[in-house]
Amino acid sequence: ETGVTQSPTHLIKTRGQQVTLRCSSQSGHNTVSWYQQALGQGPQFIFQYYREEENGRGNFPPRFSGLQFPNYSSELNVNALELDDSALYLCASSPPRTGSYNEQFFGPGTRLTVL
Amino acid sequence: AQSVTQLGSHVSVSEGALVLLRCNYSSSVPPYLFWYVQYPNQGLQLLLKYTSAATLVKGINGFEAEFKKSETSFHLTKPSAHMSDAAEYFCAVTNSGGSNYKLTFGKGTLLTVNP
Repeated sequence: ETGVTQSPTHLIKTRGQQVTLRCSSQSGHNTVSWYQQALGQGPQFIFQYYREEENGRGNFPPRFSGLQFPNYSSELNVNALELDDSALYLCASSPPRTGSYNEQFFGPGTRLTVL
Repeated sequence: AQSVTQLGSHVSVSEGALVLLRCNYSSSVPPYLFWYVQYPNQGLQLLLKYTSAATLVKGINGFEAEFKKSETSFHLTKPSAHMSDAAEYFCAVTNSGGSNYKLTFGKGTLLTVNP
């Protein structure tokens, strides 16, 4: 069984540019969550997608946007990059809901550096 | 609103010694609680979780944690540290009644194991 995969592994952009990060969910999972982990900090929830719809958003500006595709893979888009957007971006997928907690399985992350 | 406080950003122990990583949470509803481990340049791996069953939870790699509602704590312990335990550890909380189970993480504790 293939786990959660993310691409690219590393990325370097300059201020003002736009970036797209990709995530393939684990087989059978229909929910994807994105987190931003700044250096020396814990991950912070950006948003979650369930059945191609946004299902909850953290305290991030609208220039952070996302998509989920019919195969449940997902993209995170960030416009007008700022220096503070430099971080590890983590994607996590979850299996179909059963009424109790559904564990989130994390990918290895994409390291974004904004210069 | 939920929050997690991890006491001690850096804990250093000798190989074979007890590991104790502290986590206190704040939640207005019954929480689900988690400990994750992150090795350098990797994503997050779930060590153990509390989802309202037994208050003493056993996880992988010999770790365990005890949910204490009266102390709002969920400290992580391991009787005997191994060199391979050196990593960053994150405590996280989510709302048991939520619709998206977004995880709120602490800032992390870096565990160093000395030979």
